[in-house]
Amino acid sequence: DAGITQSPRYKITETGRQVTLMCHQTWSHSYMFWYRQDLGHGLRLIYYSAAADITDKGEVPDGYVVSRSKTENFPLTLESATRSQTSVYFCASSEFLSSYEQYFGPGTRLTVT
Amino acid sequence: KQEVTQIPAALSVPEGENLVLNCSFTDSAIYNLQWFRQDPGKGLTSLLLIQSSQREQTSGRLNASLDKSSGRSTLYIAASQPGDSATYLCAPRPNSGYSTLTFGKGTMLLVSP
Repeated sequence: DAGITQSPRYKITETGRQVTLMCHQTWSHSYMFWYRQDLGHGLRLIYYSAAADITDKGEVPDGYVVSRSKTENFPLTLESATRSQTSVYFCASSEFLSSYEQYFGPGTRLTVT
Repeated sequence: KQEVTQIPAALSVPEGENLVLNCSFTDSAIYNLQWFRQDPGKGLTSLLLIQSSQREQTSGRLNASLDKSSGRSTLYIAASQPGDSATYLCAPRPNSGYSTLTFGKGTMLLVSP
């Protein structure tokens, strides 16, 4: 299906474990983003990417790692999960030709116990 | 650093009312501004994107206005319906850098039948 998908949709993990959240888009958009959404903080940018092999930190990057070897995929890895990383994670993409209008995935609800 | 404020934080209205949601931002050097809606437990859906050179943008019963110099945008919803119940978020995009969005915390709208 066309669009932006995230997997898994729900994940429960233990403190200290590594977990990877997947994001895939079919539009060949250049830009991709990872946000986390928490009560009281709203949406905050974790990392973003302007193209394959180009990534940069957002507002809250600590404890996260990203890579982008292919245009369509932008995985987010929590190297050693902590309880403070319990959140809903959203992936988004955008493109210059559509004035950078951002399109969001359905989100991944992550619980760290 | 861009700061975005949305007022009111919550709004409850009876069906049929026309209503206005407000968004203010501190840095007027923006490329465009995007309005989203978010249903509970769901991702963000783009509603309107208004360019910095535009004053208004319309889609159906929705009308977004932008006064860049004063750092304000409003989302007008005509003849509200229960299906409009959601959280509405605004996000300006800066002129510079990789054009990452800054989100307000949203206005939670409840339209009762």
